[in-house]
Amino acid sequence: NAGVTQTPKFQVLKTGQSMTLQCAQDMNHEYMSWYRQDPGMGLRLIHYSVGAGITDQGEVPNGYNVSRSTTEDFPLRLLSAAPSQTSVYFCASSLYRTALEQYFGPGTRLTVT
Amino acid sequence: EDQVTQSPEALRLQEGESSSLNCSYTVSGLRGLFWYRQDPGKGPEFLFTLYSAGEEKEKERLKATLTKKESFLHITAPKPEDSATYLCAVQATNFGNEKLTFGTGTRLTIIP
Repeated sequence: NAGVTQTPKFQVLKTGQSMTLQCAQDMNHEYMSWYRQDPGMGLRLIHYSVGAGITDQGEVPNGYNVSRSTTEDFPLRLLSAAPSQTSVYFCASSLYRTALEQYFGPGTRLTVT
Repeated sequence: EDQVTQSPEALRLQEGESSSLNCSYTVSGLRGLFWYRQDPGKGPEFLFTLYSAGEEKEKERLKATLTKKESFLHITAPKPEDSATYLCAVQATNFGNEKLTFGTGTRLTIIP
């Protein structure tokens, strides 16, 4: 049982490039989400999904797209990277939307130059 | 708007020196207050959920308590392996994990 996995662990992009951050979980969790963590700020929700085929926007969705074609996978796409998207990105999952315990992945550190 | 403020930002303790971390919150109606531990370069790890004022939960050297305005994470006789950033988050009634509000954390360092 690997829990929540994320790839890559580190990534450097140039402004304007696009990329996809991968997230997978093997716990059959319905709810998955993406956060970004910046110095001096709490974790902020980007997008979330309550099940395959269902996604919705969080607090800071601009510049990011998501899709959820399977229960296991929830990729985050950066459409045209900007320096303001330099951050650490965490994927999290929970059994369902109101489950109390969320499981976080190890994170992806993204730098946009 | 829900708000979470954690203090202090950073805390250095000698091994065995007990102390407390504070999480002050405002929320329209509290469904749950959560404590997470985050090690450098890793994702947050769930510790506790507290639901109502007066509730307490313990795990090894950690004890979390809750009042109507704040929560404390008491650490008793800490060891170097307790060094981490501790995050607090609140969730309002009638919402799920899509409405968690996180604090910025307290970075705890235990010196051997």
